[in-house]
Amino acid sequence: DIVMTQSPDSLAVSLGERATINCKSSQSVLYSSNNKNSLAWYQQKPGQPPKVLIYWASTRESGVPDRFSGSGSGTDFTLTISSLQAEDVAVYYCQQYYSSPLTFGQGTRLEIK
Amino acid sequence: QLQLQESGPGLVKPSETLSLTCTVSGGSISSSDSYWGWIRQPPGKGLEWIGTMFYSGSTYYNPSLKSRVTMSVDTSKNQFSLKLTSVTAADTAVYYCARVPLYSGSFGKSWFGPWGQGTLVTVSS
Repeated sequence: DIVMTQSPDSLAVSLGERATINCKSSQSVLYSSNNKNSLAWYQQKPGQPPKVLIYWASTRESGVPDRFSGSGSGTDFTLTISSLQAEDVAVYYCQQYYSSPLTFGQGTRLEIK
Repeated sequence: QLQLQESGPGLVKPSETLSLTCTVSGGSISSSDSYWGWIRQPPGKGLEWIGTMFYSGSTYYNPSLKSRVTMSVDTSKNQFSLKLTSVTAADTAVYYCARVPLYSGSFGKSWFGPWGQGTLVTVSS
C-alpha cells in the first residue's frame, strides 16, 4: 500500500497570511500515461463531507477559489492557500489514486491564529 | 448539479450485515465518465476507501475489506449499494458515497467528488 504522510498535523495561520500543507507518498504517484501525478486534495469542514479542491496534483476543481493551489511531483506535494480566509478553517486531506488501495493522508487541521 | 444521498440503518448488531444505498440525482448512474464509490470515516478519524464500481458491474475493492464487501447497482432506480458482512465495532463510521471520475486507464482509481452528506452507522448490540 502507498502510505500518505501529511505535515504538519495542525497549523495556525493569521488571516490573510499564507498556509502551506505538505503531503509525502511512500512511492512515486506519477502516472506515466499522461505524465501527471495521481494526487488529490480535499477540504473537510466540521459536520460536512470532504470536498475535492485539487486533482492531478495541481488542477483546481471547478468553483474552487484561486487562492488554493497544488504543486509537487513524484513523492512530495504541497497545498497552498495564498491568503487565508476565515471560511478556510477545516481539515485538509491528500489522497493518492495511483494504485489500489486508494489511500488518504491522516489530515491536517488548519486554524486561525 | 449532481447530488448523492446515502440511506440505511443507523444501528447494526455485531456479526450482522451493514447495508447502505446511495441515490444519485441530477445525473445518470449509467454515465460513461463516472465510477461510483464508498468511503468511510470512523468518528474523529481519517478516511478509508471501501470500494468503487462502474454501472456495468465492474468492481474494485480495498483488499483489507474485500472478503466482506459487495457493491451493486440498480440503474432503474439510479442507485448503488454497499453490503459489509460480519461487522464489528471497528466498522462504526460515517459512510459516504461519492462520484469517482473515470479517465483513460483509470480502472477504478481516481479522486472523489461530489460526496454525499454521509450516514453514521454504529455497530452495537
